[in-house]
Amino acid sequence: AQTVTQSQPEMSVQEAETVTLSCTYDTSESDYYLFWYKQPPSRQMILVIRQEAYKQQNATENRFSVNFQKAAKSFSLKISDSQLGDAAMYFCAYRSATPTRDDKIIFGKGTRLHILP
Amino acid sequence: KAGVTQTPRYLIKTRGQQVTLSCSPISGHRSVSWYQQTPGQGLQFLFEYFSETQRNKGNFPGRFSGRQFSNSRSEMNVSTLELGDSALYLCASRRTSGGESIEQFFGPGTRLTVL
Repeated sequence: AQTVTQSQPEMSVQEAETVTLSCTYDTSESDYYLFWYKQPPSRQMILVIRQEAYKQQNATENRFSVNFQKAAKSFSLKISDSQLGDAAMYFCAYRSATPTRDDKIIFGKGTRLHILP
Repeated sequence: KAGVTQTPRYLIKTRGQQVTLSCSPISGHRSVSWYQQTPGQGLQFLFEYFSETQRNKGNFPGRFSGRQFSNSRSEMNVSTLELGDSALYLCASRRTSGGESIEQFFGPGTRLTVL
């Protein structure tokens, strides 16, 4: 069974600084997707960034980028120029890309990110 | 395009009662998944519906059930509520026609409190 582990329950970063959130996962599959979701205090879960396992290039979305290390099964999220609006719970998540597999997403426990003004 | 909507947003019930939660997916999305979020267990998959059929089910007791209607709206039901069922219940929809969509879009959730 696949698992997703986020070892940092909470992190803090100064506004305008850079922070990296860690995530490791375990799977025997070769084709899958990895995601970072953001859940602000309003509770609406929002997709921040996604990575297809077959792509070697790390995904980037504006101030958000990932460091995807497939062999190490590591998938960290880097937030540059942190803003107050980045304060939220961040979830790392995994989904199989195998067509016959089910649609469920496996989530890590989350990392609560605080932005210090 | 409207996002995923869930009703009600908040609910208070007592042990032993049953509850029904509703989810309306994004227009055109035919896959609806449900998740339970608690501080202790995190986010856990409940079940997924596609074309009115349950396609997959998580590891939850039979007290948790769901269904999907022809318009893709989905409901989940919890019978004989227990204190441990207090949680945020999230619904997510995904486009499955015109090319499979990878991304699931989440609703705001229903906060269920069992007293």
